[in-house]
Amino acid sequence: QKEVEQNSGPLSVPEGAIASLNCTYSDRGSQSFFWYRQYSGKSPELIMSIYSNGDKEDGRFTAQLNKASQYVSLLIRDSQPSDSATYLCAVNRENYGQNFVFGPGTRLSVLP
Amino acid sequence: DTAVSQTPKYLVTQMGNDKSIKCEQNLGHDTMYWYKQDSKKFLKIMFSYNNKELIINETVPNRFSPKSPDKAHLNLHINSLELGDSAVYFCASSLRQGGGYTFGSGTRLTVV
Repeated sequence: QKEVEQNSGPLSVPEGAIASLNCTYSDRGSQSFFWYRQYSGKSPELIMSIYSNGDKEDGRFTAQLNKASQYVSLLIRDSQPSDSATYLCAVNRENYGQNFVFGPGTRLSVLP
Repeated sequence: DTAVSQTPKYLVTQMGNDKSIKCEQNLGHDTMYWYKQDSKKFLKIMFSYNNKELIINETVPNRFSPKSPDKAHLNLHINSLELGDSAVYFCASSLRQGGGYTFGSGTRLTVV
């Protein structure tokens, strides 16, 4: 099993809809979870972090974490064409210098 | 003011050459990283430094040698370049180990 898995997509949603991006991880000891957005040809940028079970909201973004199921998700409400990008899930490895392992990313396309 | 700056942005070189990529951050962060993003967009950690000390050295060929003269700089030197080294190399920094990353703009290395 890969350390961090995501559906590669592309995930296509119409403008104004909710986009749901999912991520599963294998290390039960992981404590920190991040979502990054990467536009084509650009560097990843941090958009959300979550550390506790439950939901965390920031504007149109909601991160959800379920450590028992080893599952973290990102919801984007009122999706806009400018949200079209690849979304990378990153999970820390507590016992290995606390660096992060990135998933392969999900490509999101928001259709006008 | 660029937070994490990498130079050069593009690097085209022949097999067998030696090249360096420089990275500087002005965020006052303690930890710096080198990540490699391959053609499938998969981001994989190569090295991590905390306050000039090497923390993580993933399974990377020893042709790759990082150097951190101070905590604001982390350079990457690559000897005897191979075709498979072609990728985008990202430098990143975080305030502390386990914190969210700020990425540089990336260096696209093409080995011909």
